[in-house]
Amino acid sequence: DVVMTQSPLSLPVTLGQPASISCRSSQSLVYSDGNTYLNWFQQRPGQSPRRLIYKVSNRDSGVPDRFSGSGSGTDFTLKISRVEAEDVGFYYCMQGTHWPPTFGQGTKVEIK
Amino acid sequence: EVQLVESGGGLVQPGGSLRLSCSASGFTFSSYAMHWVRQAPGKGLEYISAITPNGGNAHYAESMKGRFTISRDNSKNTLYLQMSTLRAEDTAIYYCAKEDGGHTQIDYWGQGTLVTVSS
Repeated sequence: DVVMTQSPLSLPVTLGQPASISCRSSQSLVYSDGNTYLNWFQQRPGQSPRRLIYKVSNRDSGVPDRFSGSGSGTDFTLKISRVEAEDVGFYYCMQGTHWPPTFGQGTKVEIK
Repeated sequence: EVQLVESGGGLVQPGGSLRLSCSASGFTFSSYAMHWVRQAPGKGLEYISAITPNGGNAHYAESMKGRFTISRDNSKNTLYLQMSTLRAEDTAIYYCAKEDGGHTQIDYWGQGTLVTVSS
């Protein structure tokens, strides 16, 4: 299985400051069709996951533009330009290029 | 509005069986692949299984093969997960999820149903 490694696992951030989460895969996530099936999900406390980003850098409808995704191959990043209180929770990367789909361990974002 | 509502969770003894259901609305259920993902208490997300839109093909993570069976009834807009020979380590919130665009591009999740395996 493709191993997805996130860092850091815990990210204390000051309100209004940027935050960045790294996700590295054990194999390239570029599929034969040229697409890279790497998603980012947010899970707020007590809630189910919500997709923020699909195919590396495409923001879902309703997702604030302070969230952005980037990367290629095996190295990906989720950035929050200015952290707000509602951004507290866990963030997971997930690959769908290789079977089975696999998730990163999750990164806990909290306010300092 | 897409809605996915899981049910069927609860307390079950080790070795027991349980069938989870996921009722879907707000989209053409028969046109989309569906998935099950679980989350043990305080842990991360673990992928279980997928089923094609017409139910003709099902796929499982290796560790889920043999004890878990995914199915769907498109006439009822409902997804199922039959679980057998349950173990304590199967204790988790079980989420159903909708795919959009292939390659496990999950775009919506249900609220989850808690399964507790304990004597």
